[in-house]
Amino acid sequence: GNSVTQMEGPVTLSEEAFLTINCTYTATGYPSLFWYVQYPGEGLQLLLKATKADDKGSNKGFEATYRKETTSFHLEKGSVQVSDSAVYFCALSHPNNNDMRFGAGTRLTVKP
Amino acid sequence: ETGVTQSPTHLIKTRGQQVTLRCSSQSGHNTVSWYQQALGQGPQFIFQYYREEENGRGNFPPRFSGLQFPNYSSELNVNALELDDSALYLCASSLSAGASSSEQFFGPGTRLTVL
Repeated sequence: GNSVTQMEGPVTLSEEAFLTINCTYTATGYPSLFWYVQYPGEGLQLLLKATKADDKGSNKGFEATYRKETTSFHLEKGSVQVSDSAVYFCALSHPNNNDMRFGAGTRLTVKP
Repeated sequence: ETGVTQSPTHLIKTRGQQVTLRCSSQSGHNTVSWYQQALGQGPQFIFQYYREEENGRGNFPPRFSGLQFPNYSSELNVNALELDDSALYLCASSLSAGASSSEQFFGPGTRLTVL
């Protein structure tokens, strides 16, 4: 079945460091891929998405490229800020069903 | 524009009891999805409601049931609570059915503790 595997955390970085959070998926056909962010005490917020191979989603300095050949959707940011501290979830959805499959989440802490 | 709201924020129940969680969808959204998020895990899809009908269900037993009302708000009911039901329950609304067809907007969740 469809599933997502993402890099285990926690990840701790200094401010202005480069961030990569790995995400790989298993799915038939062409799923849509998402990154959601969950700040403490809040619900999930969509960070970015990509709906077809080679699409790049981007938002707030974060980027991820839909790589069908490696079944990956790694999240990157060139220079993290303390305010980026949160839990990040990779997710996929398939046009043939209505559920969204999430990874286990990666907790990021950015220190000043 | 009001976002997705959920009530209550926290709830404590004992094993065997029943619970009802509520969700108000974002204005103009006709689809509501419910997720269970255990501690340290990603959300797991429970079911989706579209225009008052169940429109997809995840791998949850029948004691998890739901409703959607004409104003598109929704309830999640869980009967015969078990300790493993302790989790954060998230509601998400969207403009149309299907997880890939439109963005899902999540509420802050209801934290359920079963003792």
